[in-house]
Amino acid sequence: KNQVEQSPQSLIILEGKNCTLQCNYTVSPFSNLRWYKQDTGRGPVSLTIMTFSENTKSNGRYTATLDADTKQSSLHITASQLSDSASYICVVSAEYSGGSNYKLTFGKGTLLTVNP
Amino acid sequence: DGGITQSPKYLFRKEGQNVTLSCEQNLNHDAMYWYRQDPGQGLRLIYYSQIVNDFQKGDIAEGYSVSREKKESFPLTVTSAQKNPTAFYLCASSMYSNQPQHFGDGTRLSIL
Repeated sequence: KNQVEQSPQSLIILEGKNCTLQCNYTVSPFSNLRWYKQDTGRGPVSLTIMTFSENTKSNGRYTATLDADTKQSSLHITASQLSDSASYICVVSAEYSGGSNYKLTFGKGTLLTVNP
Repeated sequence: DGGITQSPKYLFRKEGQNVTLSCEQNLNHDAMYWYRQDPGQGLRLIYYSQIVNDFQKGDIAEGYSVSREKKESFPLTVTSAQKNPTAFYLCASSMYSNQPQHFGDGTRLSIL
């Protein structure tokens, strides 16, 4: 069964500090991995998307890494800001039928709180 | 600005009532999706459509129905057959399948 596990479930840090969120998956056949940020009461917003051949991808203060061998990804947030307080969701895509069909598996998210 | 608009933001349903959630996009995307989000759970796919006049069931389609008569619109009806409809409903779209999805800001449905 395809699964995406995120840790920690929640995290509290002080403004200005760095943090790393983890995502482990058992999805196959792997197509790509995405990180989304979801503010409370809003829809998710895409941060990064990585394919099998990409190890690192950055989007401003957000840097995602992917180890396809161990099926792990991380999202590193540098110099956190109050506006980083949100839920961060890892999503893994599996591709079937030669690319004509695919299925997304969503993690439950990590709730990050940045305090002043 | 291009984007996805969901309405209403809050919706209340009475017993035995069908309600329809609106989703409109002006991104010229072919694919559209409906997800349900419950506390402590990952998003679950209800229905998706890759092209006008065609749609497919997702993982939890029972008690829901959709239509895709126009490229821009993908309304979701929560029928009285859905016994536990209280949730946050998210609509999304993407240019093609397996492309990053753009999400609306959701509709929160509650039972009266």
